[in-house]
Amino acid sequence: DAGVTQSPTHLIKTRGQQVTLRCSPKSGHDTVSWYQQALGQGPQFIFQYYEEEERQRGNFPDRFSGHQFPNYSSELNVNALLLGDSALYLCASSFGQGYTEAFFGQGTRLTVV
Amino acid sequence: EDQVTQSPEALRLQEGESSSLNCSYTVSGLRGLFWYRQDPGKGPEFLFTLYSAGEEKEKERLKATLTKKESFLHITAPKPEDSATYLCAVQASDYKLSFGAGTTVTVRA
Repeated sequence: DAGVTQSPTHLIKTRGQQVTLRCSPKSGHDTVSWYQQALGQGPQFIFQYYEEEERQRGNFPDRFSGHQFPNYSSELNVNALLLGDSALYLCASSFGQGYTEAFFGQGTRLTVV
Repeated sequence: EDQVTQSPEALRLQEGESSSLNCSYTVSGLRGLFWYRQDPGKGPEFLFTLYSAGEEKEKERLKATLTKKESFLHITAPKPEDSATYLCAVQASDYKLSFGAGTTVTVRA
């Protein structure tokens, strides 16, 4: 079992560009949640996808959007990148909307210059 | 708004010196409280889920407990490999997961 996999692991983008991050959930999991973690902070909830729909959303602007595919994998898109978007982006998968056992990927380190 | 506060921010321990980490929370309709371990540059690793006051869970040198307003993570006779940032998170009735800022534990041999 490969667990939760995220790609790419590192990414450097220029301010104003757009970026797409990808996540494959752990086998048997159908729910994917995305988090942003700034250095020295805890992860901040961006949104959760379940049954290919956005179910919950945190306090993030509309520049942050996502998608879930029929195979439960997910994408996080960020438009019009700002310097403040530089962070570790984490994907977590679970079965159902609860977090009985939520597993995180290794994250994508995004640097905006 | 749901809030999670962890203390202390950092903890330096000698190998074998037991200690406790605190997680205090306010949440609307607690569905569960979670503890994760995070190593530098990596994603959080699931440790425990606690659902109701009075519940306790143990794993090796770690023991987590839960009251109505806080949770404790006890580290008994820690080893250098227990060095990490420990994150506490609560899930509210709307399924959102809110994390604290974490406690960074350093265990010296």
